[in-house]
Amino acid sequence: RKEVEQDPGPFNVPEGATVAFNCTYSNSASQSFFWYRQDCRKEPKLLMSVYSSGNEDGRFTAQLNRASQYISLLIRDSKLSDSATYLCVGGGADGLTFGKGTHLIIQP
Amino acid sequence: DAGITQSPRHKVTETGTPVTLRCHQTENHRYMYWYRQDPGHGLRLIHYSYGVKDTDKGEVSDGYSVSRSKTEDFLLTLESATSSQTSVYFCAISVPRARSSYNEQFFGPGTRLTVL
Repeated sequence: RKEVEQDPGPFNVPEGATVAFNCTYSNSASQSFFWYRQDCRKEPKLLMSVYSSGNEDGRFTAQLNRASQYISLLIRDSKLSDSATYLCVGGGADGLTFGKGTHLIIQP
Repeated sequence: DAGITQSPRHKVTETGTPVTLRCHQTENHRYMYWYRQDPGHGLRLIHYSYGVKDTDKGEVSDGYSVSRSKTEDFLLTLESATSSQTSVYFCAISVPRARSSYNEQFFGPGTRLTVL
């Protein structure tokens, strides 16, 4: 059974702080990994693909450790608009396996 | 904008009635997916398609069927809706990432289905 586990939170973080999310996955055959962002009553939106070499996009950094089956997301200089649920995702062409999401609340 | 639309966006129906949800893409991507999202669960895969008339089951396929008669449309049918199928249904397409062997999935806006 494929599973992705992540801390549901909520994480209450002051604006401007750095926040880190982690997740673990059980299916070592998963080929690709992603972080999605989902706002209340909206569809998931792709935030970042995650590569073994790590990747950065502005204030966001994602890391993948295949040996430990562990994925991370770092958000620097958090903004009020970063408040959302962050979904850790793994999978391939036969579909994605989603974590239940980590709820992030950025406080002014 | 990934060019994905879903219809209807909201539907209320009664137990035992058939329901069909439609997903439409404006591009000719080969892979399309149907997921459901429920409180306390991550999104779960119902069925997917890897081409016209080519479909396969996902994790929670019982009670659902799909059809893909043309590239741009992927239909999800509940032959006889049950209250346990009350959920938010999302369609997704898989898009090749430029200069990469990776594909990325993009989601439609969702359909909220309530089965009374």
